[in-house]
Amino acid sequence: DGGITQSPKYLFRKEGQNVTLSCEQNLNHDAMYWYRQDPGQGLRLIYYSQIVNDFQKGDIAEGYSVSREKKESFPLTVTSAQKNPTAFYLCASSVGGMNTEAFFGQGTRLTVV
Amino acid sequence: AQKITQTQPGMFVQEKEAVTLDCTYDTSDPSYGLFWYKQPSSGEMIFLIYQGSYDQQNATEGRYSLNFQKARKSANLVISASQLGDSAMYFCAMREAYNQGGKLIFGQGTELSVKP
Repeated sequence: DGGITQSPKYLFRKEGQNVTLSCEQNLNHDAMYWYRQDPGQGLRLIYYSQIVNDFQKGDIAEGYSVSREKKESFPLTVTSAQKNPTAFYLCASSVGGMNTEAFFGQGTRLTVV
Repeated sequence: AQKITQTQPGMFVQEKEAVTLDCTYDTSDPSYGLFWYKQPSSGEMIFLIYQGSYDQQNATEGRYSLNFQKARKSANLVISASQLGDSAMYFCAMREAYNQGGKLIFGQGTELSVKP
């Protein structure tokens, strides 16, 4: 079955540690996105990529980094510079183009203690 | 810069009645797409409906329809015959064709509660 896989579903880290969230898709989509969602809030765009080896900052990129070395994979690293990293992180992908919907993974809930 | 606004943090509707969830947007791009997603308590994001800026007719998908008023820059979601399973967060989103490199942005969401 085609889809987007985020792992792990729950992640706990100590403050000051970097952590990498995985996002893999087998939908052959060109575009991929990372969003952050805080309780009762909307989705805020962290980074997005329209094509392999290229990505752009979203609205809240500070403290995060990404790579897009393969079409299928778009990992997100939450660095120690991110002041409040505890949140629900959603990865999405789309074919690309204005009229194509994004498909989402199940999300990763990151808790930093 | 593109922007999406959902002014209703929470809404209640009686089962089997219709409900309208508001969404306004701001963009300078003449070509754009508007999307609605549903997020149940499980956290998954479910695509509901799409409207293109040049579409002449309002989009419909089963019990979902989009009341698109381009001049007012609004794209309200109408859910007919509400069901208990419709209780969820609903998000409006927009992607511009030319500006912002394909960025897909979301509004703050509306929490819908369906009463039996």
